[in-house]
Amino acid sequence: AQTVTQSQPEMSVQEAETVTLSCTYDTSESDYYLFWYKQPPSRQMILVIRQEAYKQQNATENRFSVNFQKAAKSFSLKISDSQLGDAAMYFCAYRSEDNYGQNFVFGPGTRLSVLP
Amino acid sequence: DAGVIQSPRHEVTEMGQEVTLRCKPISGHNSLFWYRQTMMRGLELLIYFNNNVPIDDSGMPEDRFSAKMPNASFSTLKIQPSEPRDSAVYFCASSAGQGSTEAFFGQGTRLTVV
Repeated sequence: AQTVTQSQPEMSVQEAETVTLSCTYDTSESDYYLFWYKQPPSRQMILVIRQEAYKQQNATENRFSVNFQKAAKSFSLKISDSQLGDAAMYFCAYRSEDNYGQNFVFGPGTRLSVLP
Repeated sequence: DAGVIQSPRHEVTEMGQEVTLRCKPISGHNSLFWYRQTMMRGLELLIYFNNNVPIDDSGMPEDRFSAKMPNASFSTLKIQPSEPRDSAVYFCASSAGQGSTEAFFGQGTRLTVV
């Protein structure tokens, strides 16, 4: 079974600075998808960014970008120009491309604090 | 679309009672997931359905837990009998198709068993 690891339970960043959240995963599959979700205090899970494993180019969404290293099974999230509203739990997630494509597994999360 | 709808938002029950959590996925989505979130264990995948059929229930903690999806627009997660260690936030999520399609989450049900 696939597993997702986030080795940083908590991180903090100064407003306007850049922070990188780490994620590694374990899989024997060659085709899969990776996601970063954000969970603010409201509890709502919000998609931040996604990456297809077959794409070499790293995904970017405004201030959010990823560093996808397929051989190392690493998928880190970089947040540039951090804002107070970025404070939240961040979850890395893996979705397999099996016959049903339905296995959707999350890491333990990293709590990000943004300091004014 | 109103998104994934879960009910109730909060549930407080006594140990030993039956608890039923409800979920209405986004119309047209054919995949449905149930997750449990706790401080200790994070976000655990309990079960997922594809086209109303349970595909993998290996995450269901024990026989006290059961899930059904009688049609494409409704799913339930039942705990009988409930125990204090079942206290958690339970999320339902749905997705259209597979692959890079994201899962859309409901607001969750906070369950407290006293």
